Amino acid sequence: GENVEQHPSTLSVQEGDSAVIKCTYSDSASNYFPWYKQELGKGPQLIIDIRSNVGEKKDQRIAVTLNKTAKHFSLHITETQPEDSAVYFCAASSSWGKLQFGAGTQVVVTP
Amino acid sequence: GAVVSQHPSRVICKSGTSVKIECRSLDFQATTMFWYRQFPKQSLMLMATSNEGSKATYEQGVEKDKFLINHASLTLSTLTVTSAHPEDSSFYICSAPGSGTGPYEQYFGPGTRLTVT
Repeated sequence: GENVEQHPSTLSVQEGDSAVIKCTYSDSASNYFPWYKQELGKGPQLIIDIRSNVGEKKDQRIAVTLNKTAKHFSLHITETQPEDSAVYFCAASSSWGKLQFGAGTQVVVTP
Repeated sequence: GAVVSQHPSRVICKSGTSVKIECRSLDFQATTMFWYRQFPKQSLMLMATSNEGSKATYEQGVEKDKFLINHASLTLSTLTVTSAHPEDSSFYICSAPGSGTGPYEQYFGPGTRLTVT
């Protein structure tokens, strides 16, 4: 089955700096890669996703890049703000709806 | 956007009792829903796929007789934890594929915190 590895496990950044989280996946059949933000005690919130036919996608301060050959994808957050502090999960899917999650990254943005 | 709700948000039960958790898609229909379990400071682990009108599909290692899933309508799936034990204490989250631009977008409920004493 699919295995998703996520790094780093924790990331501390100064407000205004950029944050990058990287994930690798094992199943070459995976074709959908979402990123979720989870705040304490809440369910995950979809923040951006990318499909295998696209190499990069951007939504305001958030961008995701995908390298299918290397089987890795990354989340980039620019101009970080304190409200970006949360746990971020990457995931991969090769079948409709069934997601395999990475271990998560605790992001702390300090003012 | 697609909204998924869960009820209750928190529940405390005694060991040996059963607890039912509801998952509803509020503004769309979901023939499939997913149930996840999340232990503190860990990732989400898929427990089962709930299919409207048919039996749920359980992931390896998940006891189907302990975690009963019923998907009786296109907007409601329920997870019943039977004969709960303290090790079942966890954060249970459901999700459903939304009706957005493709079949892949999956929206999560707010989660249910189960504590078994």
